[in-house]
Order: sequence, then structure tokens, then C-alpha cells
Amino acid sequence: KNQVEQSPQSLIILEGKNCTLQCNYTVSPFSNLRWYKQDTGRGPVSLTIMTFSENTKSNGRYTATLDADTKQSSLHITASQLSDSASYICVVGGSGGSYIPTFGRGTSLIVHP
Amino acid sequence: ETGVTQSPTHLIKTRGQQVTLRCSSQSGHNTVSWYQQALGQGPQFIFQYYREEENGRGNFPPRFSGLQFPNYSSELNVNALELDDSALYLCASSLAGDRNGYTFGSGTRLTVV
Repeated sequence: KNQVEQSPQSLIILEGKNCTLQCNYTVSPFSNLRWYKQDTGRGPVSLTIMTFSENTKSNGRYTATLDADTKQSSLHITASQLSDSASYICVVGGSGGSYIPTFGRGTSLIVHP
Repeated sequence: ETGVTQSPTHLIKTRGQQVTLRCSSQSGHNTVSWYQQALGQGPQFIFQYYREEENGRGNFPPRFSGLQFPNYSSELNVNALELDDSALYLCASSLAGDRNGYTFGSGTRLTVV
């Protein structure tokens, strides 16, 4: 069964600090892995997308890494800002014609001043 | 280039009623998928449409049905609403499946009373 597990479930940090969110997956066959940021009550917004041949991708203060061998990914946020408070969702894509993505449950990040 | 738009943004229905949610896909996208997101949970895949045909379905009962139109816009219909159907319903579009990731709309908040 395809699964995506994210940790921690929630995280509270102080403004300006760094943090790392984790994603482990068992999706097979693997096509790509994406990180989304979702503000409360809004739709997810794409941060990064990586295929199996990429092991790192940056988008401003967000850096995602991928280890396709261990089926692990991380999202590192540098110099956090109050606006980073959101849910971060890891989504893993399979391959094939009838594709269905597998979503993690998300990590809720709260950044305090 | 327009993004994904969903309507209405909020909706209140009574248990047993029927509801139709609408989604306009991003320009150039031919694949639309629908998700249900309960409060504090990750999105759950409902189904996906590619060129007006359903090509993937999650674990949702038949009272959840959909359509995709020639212009690739889409509808989600839910019959015999139950209290547990209260959730944020997200629509996402993409081009040719999942190769470039999905663009999400802001969602429709459905409340069933």
C-alpha cells in the first residue's frame, strides 16, 4: 500500500530560527515528490518538485532534499518568518497512466515572534 | 495565465441535500482531480478526470460523482449529504497527468448541518 508519513505532526519555533520537516514514503513506482505549503482554509501552493534523479531543490528560504534509495525527503526552512506558519504537505507521485498521488497528513508549523 | 478557480467559496447545506461544486482548471491543463480535506487532516483523493473521462478514484462512495467538460472545467456532485461530508473540497489541475505537479484552487468550504 502506498503511504506517505510526515514528521513531526506539529512544530513550534521562534522567528528567525531554522527547522527541518521530514517525509518518508513507500510509493512505488516513484515518479516525483512535491512539497506544498497550505495556509489555513486555503489551497496548497507548490514549493518544490523533485524527480528521482534530483537530490536537492531550493525555492528561496525553502530547500528540499530527496534520497530515493532510503525513500526519504526533508524540507529545510531557513531564517523562519511569521508568514511561514502553515501546514506543509509532502505529496508523492507514481508513474503510469492512471496516476493517483499519495498525500501525507502534513506538518503544522507555527512560528512565534 | 489564469490559475485554478473554484466556486462557491463557502456553502452551507442540510443533511440529505445534494450539492454541486465547480472548478475551472488552469489554462492549458487537461487533468482535474478533486480532494476532500477534513479539518486538521491532509487532502484525501476523491477522483481524477483526464480528457472528460474518470481515470482514477479514491475510497469514496458512489454518491460522490463528477464531470469534466470539453473546456476541462469540472464539477463535483455529492448526493444525500451527511454531516461527515463537511470539509474543504479542493480541485487541482495539471497537464498530462502528474509530470509537472498540480495547481490547486483555494477550495470550497462545505458545511453540512
